[in-house]
Amino acid sequence: GQQLNQSPQSMFIQEGEDVSMNCTSSSIFNTWLWYKQDPGEGPVLLIALYKAGELTSNGRLTAQFGITRKDSFLNISASIPSDVGIYFCAGQSPGTYKYIFGTGTRLKVLA
Amino acid sequence: DVKVTQSSRYLVKRTGEKVFLECVQDMDHENMFWYRQDPGLGLRLIYFSYDVKMKEKGDIPEGYSVSREKKERFSLILESASTNQTSMYLCASSLAPGQQFFGPGTRLTVL
Repeated sequence: GQQLNQSPQSMFIQEGEDVSMNCTSSSIFNTWLWYKQDPGEGPVLLIALYKAGELTSNGRLTAQFGITRKDSFLNISASIPSDVGIYFCAGQSPGTYKYIFGTGTRLKVLA
Repeated sequence: DVKVTQSSRYLVKRTGEKVFLECVQDMDHENMFWYRQDPGLGLRLIYFSYDVKMKEKGDIPEGYSVSREKKERFSLILESASTNQTSMYLCASSLAPGQQFFGPGTRLTVL
C-alpha cells in the first residue's frame, strides 16, 4: 500500500530543544492526523487538522495543514524525555474511508 | 474519551489454528479498521467496515476474514494461522470523515 513521505526518519535531540517533522504526499488530503506510538502500544492521536492552512496546538505540540493540501508539519517545543517515541502522520483523501500513513519519525531525547 | 479495546494484548498460536481477534469501540463510530504493523513496512490495512455487515478489502486481505454483526464490534479472523502472520494487529475506529482512534494492539505470535 501507499505510504506518505515523512522526514526525518529519526532524530536525536537534547532535552529542551524544539523538534520539527513533516509529511508530504503526491495527492491532496482533506484530513491530516498526527499520532505518537510508544513501543508495544497502539498509536495515540495527538492532533487532527481539517482545513488547508489550519494551525492547531495541543500543549507543546503544534501542527499545520499545508496550503497545497499535500503536506503537514508537526512541531514539538521544549522537548522532554517522555516525548520519546515514534510519530506518524496520516492523511485521508476526499471521498474515501481509508487513511494513508507516513513512514514514521523516531524521536530520542537525551537528558 | 473514545475507547477502542482489543480482546488480547498478547497471543501465541500454532500454525493451522483458527484465530479470532476482537475489537470493541464505545463511540458509535460507523467505520472500523484492522491493520497489521511490521518493522519497515509500516501500517498496512487488512480490512475495513463502514457499517454493520459491510466490509471492504484493504491492501493485504489474503489469509484474513472479518465479521461485523454489531456496530461496536469488529472481529478479525485468521482461518488457518501461518508463521508469516506473526505481527502486531491494530484495530481502529472513526467517524466519516475525521479522527481515527486506535486500540492498544494485539501482539500475535504464530509458532
